[in-house]
Amino acid sequence: GDSVTQMEGPVTLSEEAFLTINCTYTATGYPSLFWYVQYPGEGLQLLLKATKADDKGSNKGFEATYRKETTSFHLEKGSVQVSDSAVYFCALSTRGNNRLAFGKGNQVVVIP
Amino acid sequence: DVKVTQSSRYLVKRTGEKVFLECVQDMDHENMFWYRQDPGLGLRLIYFSYDVKMKEKGDIPEGYSVSREKKERFSLILESASTNQTSMYLCASSLQEYGYTFGSGTRLTVV
Repeated sequence: GDSVTQMEGPVTLSEEAFLTINCTYTATGYPSLFWYVQYPGEGLQLLLKATKADDKGSNKGFEATYRKETTSFHLEKGSVQVSDSAVYFCALSTRGNNRLAFGKGNQVVVIP
Repeated sequence: DVKVTQSSRYLVKRTGEKVFLECVQDMDHENMFWYRQDPGLGLRLIYFSYDVKMKEKGDIPEGYSVSREKKERFSLILESASTNQTSMYLCASSLQEYGYTFGSGTRLTVV
């Protein structure tokens, strides 16, 4: 079945550092890929998405490129802020399947 | 601005009580979902619905039921609350496969 794998463990980094969160997927067909962000005490918000190979999603300084050859959708930001501290979830859906498959999420803590 | 509204942010209930968690969306979305979120376990799908009066079991339906009498409202019911149902509950809605819109969540504590 469809699945998403995120790197293990929380990520702690200093303000203005470069952030990468790895996401790989297994899917039948041609999935759409998403990154969601969850700030403390809140629900999940859509951060960015890409619907076909080589598409780049971007929002709030975050970017992710849909790489079909490596089945990956890694999230990157060039210079993080304390306000980026949150949990980040990678997810996918395939055409005709209304369910999203989520990764386990990564806690990101940005230290001033 | 599109919205998914969950009726309570925090809820405390006693063991054995019947608990209703309400979710309303104003986007005319066909699909609605209930998840629970626990540390280390990520998001787990409880139930979902593709249309009014339709429901499908997710990955962990035991101890829960749902109701969807109107398109905009999807209720999660804990028939007899237990302490292991203490969790964050998240409702979401979607139109086809274009991603979800989530509510703010209900943190339920069963004592």
